[in-house]
Amino acid sequence: GESVGLHLPTLSVQEGDNSIINCAYSNSASDYFIWYKQESGKGPQFIIDIRSNMDKRQGQRVTVLLNKTVKHLSLQIAATQPGDSAVYFCAEEAGGTSYGKLTFGQGTILTVHP
Amino acid sequence: DGGITQSPKYLFRKEGQNVTLSCEQNLNHDAMYWYRQDPGQGLRLIYYSQIVNDFQKGDIAEGYSVSREKKESFPLTVTSAQKNPTAFYLCASSMTGNSEIPYEQYFGPGTRLTVT
Repeated sequence: GESVGLHLPTLSVQEGDNSIINCAYSNSASDYFIWYKQESGKGPQFIIDIRSNMDKRQGQRVTVLLNKTVKHLSLQIAATQPGDSAVYFCAEEAGGTSYGKLTFGQGTILTVHP
Repeated sequence: DGGITQSPKYLFRKEGQNVTLSCEQNLNHDAMYWYRQDPGQGLRLIYYSQIVNDFQKGDIAEGYSVSREKKESFPLTVTSAQKNPTAFYLCASSMTGNSEIPYEQYFGPGTRLTVT
């Protein structure tokens, strides 16, 4: 049956703090990774992406780090704001015959307290 | 105003009825996707289409059907064969590159389907 209620990892921070959201991926063939933000009742919103030939990429207030050795991805949000409160998903794509097929992680709930 | 539209936002059906969810995009994207999201879980891929008149099954295609007759439209039918159809359904689109040049997927606002 379907799971009821949320049992996602959670992260609570104070406004102005830096946040780090982690994601472990399983497919060593994955070569493209995306972070999405999803607010309640809405579709996911693209934040930042990174390809496997990079280990770090920066955007506005966000940084994604990729460690292919341990298959780990992280999203760092600087100076976290209440508007950053949402569920954050990592997604991976293996390329090749799996091109276009994203596999999503379970998600992490970020709560920012003013 | 460019983007992806899904309608309706909420949909209610009786068990045993087929229902079709609409997805339209005016981003001129070649590729379109359908995902299902259940509480406390990530998105799971139902079907995807890289070009008009062609589509492939995703990870959970059983009980669903799609068509891609126009570039901007990718409707999803939830059939009575889908054993647990109540969920949040999300449509996405992207440019079509290749495995060397992937493109991010942009999502619509979703349709919440409740079957009783």
